[in-house]
Amino acid sequence: DAEITQSPRHKITETGRQVTLACHQTWNHNNMFWYRQDLGHGLRLIHYSYGVQDTNKGEVSDGYSVSRSNTEDLPLTLESAASSQTSVYFCASSSGETNSPLHFGNGTRLTVT
Amino acid sequence: GENVEQHPSTLSVQEGDSAVIKCTYSDSASNYFPWYKQELGKGPQLIIDIRSNVGEKKDQRIAVTLNKTAKHFSLHITETQPEDSAVYFCAAQMNTGFQKLVFGTGTRLLVSP
Repeated sequence: DAEITQSPRHKITETGRQVTLACHQTWNHNNMFWYRQDLGHGLRLIHYSYGVQDTNKGEVSDGYSVSRSNTEDLPLTLESAASSQTSVYFCASSSGETNSPLHFGNGTRLTVT
Repeated sequence: GENVEQHPSTLSVQEGDSAVIKCTYSDSASNYFPWYKQELGKGPQLIIDIRSNVGEKKDQRIAVTLNKTAKHFSLHITETQPEDSAVYFCAAQMNTGFQKLVFGTGTRLLVSP
């Protein structure tokens, strides 16, 4: 069955370190998204991609970057981790057809100390 | 841009009771409204959606209603069961040709046996 997997599931890092969270999907979806989930804020869009070599900023993109070198992967990089980036991060994908559903991974819990 | 408000933030009901979660949106151009259910330790999963040309949609024990004039939509769960306990997110999307969902802040539903 097709799926979307995130790794690692849990990560603890120190302030100032570079961190990369992995996202891999086997749906062959064009669209991929990164969200962060914080209490009281719901799910907020960080970056998104509509295909290979395409990346776009979401509403909370500062301090994050993504790259899309193939269809399956959209890694999220925190250039210099900050305590404010402690959160649960979710990757999602969709086919791109009108109103197609998002398929989410199970998340990565990141703690920045 | 679009803003989605969701209420209540927490909802406790007895098994067999009904539960209602309400959302309002700000942008009248939004025309697609999905609902996602998130179980503990997992990513959100689409449970039902509605488009702006429809006022109500049902799927077994769950239903969604949409009032375009008032710009609000609601999730109704009847005959609640303990396995309905989860966090529920509403979302809104404009039909701009690009898939960008704006999520509400979530409702934690607890169904007690």
